[in-house]
Amino acid sequence: EVQLLESGGGLVQPGGSLRLSCAASGFDFITYAMIWVRQAPGKGLEWVSGISGRGDSAYYADSVKDRFIISRDNSKNTLYLLLNSLRAEDTAVYYCARVFGSVMFPNWFDPWGQGTLVTVSS
Amino acid sequence: QSALTQPASVSGSPGQSITISCTGTSSDVGSYNLVSWYQQHPGKAPKVIIFEVNKRPSGVSNRFSGSKSGNTASLTISGLQAEDEADYYCCSYAGSRTLVLFGGGTKLAVL
Repeated sequence: EVQLLESGGGLVQPGGSLRLSCAASGFDFITYAMIWVRQAPGKGLEWVSGISGRGDSAYYADSVKDRFIISRDNSKNTLYLLLNSLRAEDTAVYYCARVFGSVMFPNWFDPWGQGTLVTVSS
Repeated sequence: QSALTQPASVSGSPGQSITISCTGTSSDVGSYNLVSWYQQHPGKAPKVIIFEVNKRPSGVSNRFSGSKSGNTASLTISGLQAEDEADYYCCSYAGSRTLVLFGGGTKLAVL
């Protein structure tokens, strides 16, 4: 069964950092690009970042560029998102998802993990 | 680029059909057949129900169908069931700079 399991969320102060992880199982991880999508409380979905299967290409939404870093360890079948210089508006549930298509031409996303909540507050 | 535009809410009775629109621009929905739709029940992760405008993943009911005309994509749910009550999001490839845009989401109520 294809599964994605996020972890690493929590409460962090403004300006702080956090690293999210997404453990993948049930598929050939290196074959697929991966993305992070977030959802602020009561709000819609927002694409955050994407990375190619080999990890040599990465893309970011303008809202997180220069603050967040996406990476992956294909030997551990794990995707990461390092969140730096966190702001209150980064508070959201962060989901990872497998990409059908490529990181440059993402088509659709399936499955999604259950999400991990990041709360930025003093 | 701004999020794709969806109605905030739609409603229907069991057995009826409803359509949710998703309006973008010539830079996203209008230029690519890379529109997908996601269903999200409260407290759950999104689930894909339509990809490439009108294709259904294996296991998704044929009551769900998609289409596109110009800059607007649409999701139609026929034979509404109580279990269809959820939030629905459209998504489109938006070019090499923005990559991905989601719609603001539509809450479907089955009355």
